[in-house]
Amino acid sequence: DAGVIQSPRHEVTEMGQEVTLRCKPISGHNSLFWYRQTMMRGLELLIYFNNNVPIDDSGMPEDRFSAKMPNASFSTLKIQPSEPRDSAVYFCASSFPDRVGYEQYFGPGTRLTVT
Amino acid sequence: AQKITQTQPGMFVQEKEAVTLDCTYDTSDPSYGLFWYKQPSSGEMIFLIYQGSYDQQNATEGRYSLNFQKARKSANLVISASQLGDSAMYFCAMREGDKIIFGKGTRLHILP
Repeated sequence: DAGVIQSPRHEVTEMGQEVTLRCKPISGHNSLFWYRQTMMRGLELLIYFNNNVPIDDSGMPEDRFSAKMPNASFSTLKIQPSEPRDSAVYFCASSFPDRVGYEQYFGPGTRLTVT
Repeated sequence: AQKITQTQPGMFVQEKEAVTLDCTYDTSDPSYGLFWYKQPSSGEMIFLIYQGSYDQQNATEGRYSLNFQKARKSANLVISASQLGDSAMYFCAMREGDKIIFGKGTRLHILP
């Protein structure tokens, strides 16, 4: 199994630019989660999907952030316009709720730097 | 209020010694799950171990065991015979419904 795939691994952009982060969950997993990790705030859940439907986006910081999951094998997290305070590592994770434990498997993360 | 509390921001332990990383949680849901994840310096999040709220026995996975004390709402991770490769950030987490809530983490340093 390839695991959760995220791209790009690193992104450096200027303030005001649009940023799109991509995620491919593990095949067969029907829950997908987007997290943001910073030194100050730790690991924060931004949004999660079940069966491609957004269930809880209460963690999305502002309207500048949006996420989509057009099909079971692909999701995007978009920031428009980006700001320096968006600099963080963004993780995507997936899980298969029928498994005992519901453990989430994480992708390698995208390190975003907004200058 | 914090739902997951890890009171040890950092720990230094001699190689081959056992390590206990503390975690307390807060929930009113009778059905929940507790997890530990490891994040080495490379940045990936690695799932280590899971304990369900109804599990009678403490979970074990190789050198990892979870000391589950339900009445105290604690779920400490025990690493036996620590190795240099165990140096990492460790996160305790709790599942509520579909979501997993993470603690702030404990940075573990294994000394040679």
